[in-house]
Amino acid sequence: NAGVTQTPKFQVLKTGQSMTLQCAQDMNHNSMYWYRQDPGMGLRLIYYSASEGTTDKGEVPNGYNVSRLNKREFSLRLESAAPSQTSVYFCASSPTSENYGYTFGSGTRLTVV
Amino acid sequence: GEDVEQSLFLSVREGDSSVINCTYTDSSSTYLYWYKQEPGAGLQLLTYIFSNMDMKQDQRLTVLLNKKDKHLSLRIADTQTGDSAIYFCAERSYGQNFVFGPGTRLSVLP
Repeated sequence: NAGVTQTPKFQVLKTGQSMTLQCAQDMNHNSMYWYRQDPGMGLRLIYYSASEGTTDKGEVPNGYNVSRLNKREFSLRLESAAPSQTSVYFCASSPTSENYGYTFGSGTRLTVV
Repeated sequence: GEDVEQSLFLSVREGDSSVINCTYTDSSSTYLYWYKQEPGAGLQLLTYIFSNMDMKQDQRLTVLLNKKDKHLSLRIADTQTGDSAIYFCAERSYGQNFVFGPGTRLSVLP
């Protein structure tokens, strides 16, 4: 039972480079989310997908794009990385967008130099 | 917008009780959650409470909710070294996404 799988676990980028963070869940969940975690700031929602085929902006979407490739997979893309995007990124999923706790992946630690 | 606040650090001795506090601003919060994050890992749902409840107990964990003061607490009885982690309070209103607090880092001293 893998749950939510994120790749890569660690990444170092130079300013201006692009990359895609991958997330896949095997629990047949409808909703998926991308968060970033910064010290003392908790988790901030970047983008979410309430169901396959839909995506919406969260609290801090600037500089990011997402793709809900299918029900299992939800990717996060940084087109031109900036040092301010240095963070730990978490993907999460839930059965629906209502009233359920999330299942989180183990995170991707991204450093932009 | 909605806000969730927690103190950032708490230290307790092994075997003592830990109490982690949280305050929130959204009076329409439907569900309130506690998550645990161990080093290098994602967040793990510990417990949750519906807004129409005052208390929920689950083994060593007791959640208390004071809706009037918008105050939520998590009590861990007989705290062990394995309880050392960051604990996040989160609230959710119907139809809305989660709002997380900044997390409380619990250190358990031997």
